[in-house]
Amino acid sequence: EIVLTQSPGTLSLSPGERATLSCRASQSVSSNYLAWYQQKPGQAPRLLIYGASSRATGIPDKFSGSGSGTDFTLTINRLEPEDFAVYYCQQYDNSPITFGQGTRLEIK
Amino acid sequence: EVQLVESGGGLVQPGGSLRLSCAASGFTFSSYWMHWVRQAPGEGLLWVSRINSDGSRTNYADSVKGRLTISRDNAKNTLYLQMNSLRAEDTAVYFCARGGTKNGFWGFDPWGQGTLVTVSS
Repeated sequence: EIVLTQSPGTLSLSPGERATLSCRASQSVSSNYLAWYQQKPGQAPRLLIYGASSRATGIPDKFSGSGSGTDFTLTINRLEPEDFAVYYCQQYDNSPITFGQGTRLEIK
Repeated sequence: EVQLVESGGGLVQPGGSLRLSCAASGFTFSSYWMHWVRQAPGEGLLWVSRINSDGSRTNYADSVKGRLTISRDNAKNTLYLQMNSLRAEDTAVYFCARGGTKNGFWGFDPWGQGTLVTVSS
């Protein structure tokens, strides 16, 4: 099983700042099979990034993904109040499919 | 509009059974892999199971293998999760999500709104 470790666990930033979220895999993940999701309280997750760097339909370009192998990053520019949520990475390269434990992005 | 709507959750006693449904609309259901993901209260996301487009292949997380069964009815555009021998640790919101096709994977999108399963006496 591929274990995904996200850091930091909680990130406290102010609106307008840039957020950098990390996802590290216990073994190499094909970039085609790394995704990022946003989840707000009481809502289902929403796909942001697939294939490590491709934005999903309707996702603004303030969200960007990068990385390869075992190290992946989600960057959110110009934070707005609606961006404060929990973010999860996911790998689909190996079964079982696994998610990171999440990074909570909170308003400072 | 592409949409997934779950139903069937509720309160069940330990050892009991429940069947969840996920009704799909707005896309060619029979072309896509489908998944179940669960989220225990206050916890993160846990992938539970997947089924391929024609229902001939299934996979499960070790924690549910032998107790939960995924299936689909492509004529009814509906995904199912039969849950038997339920345990307290199965308490969670269960989401269905659309996966990829034979042509590729583009993430889990969309997700249903989730249905809450509570296992308690």
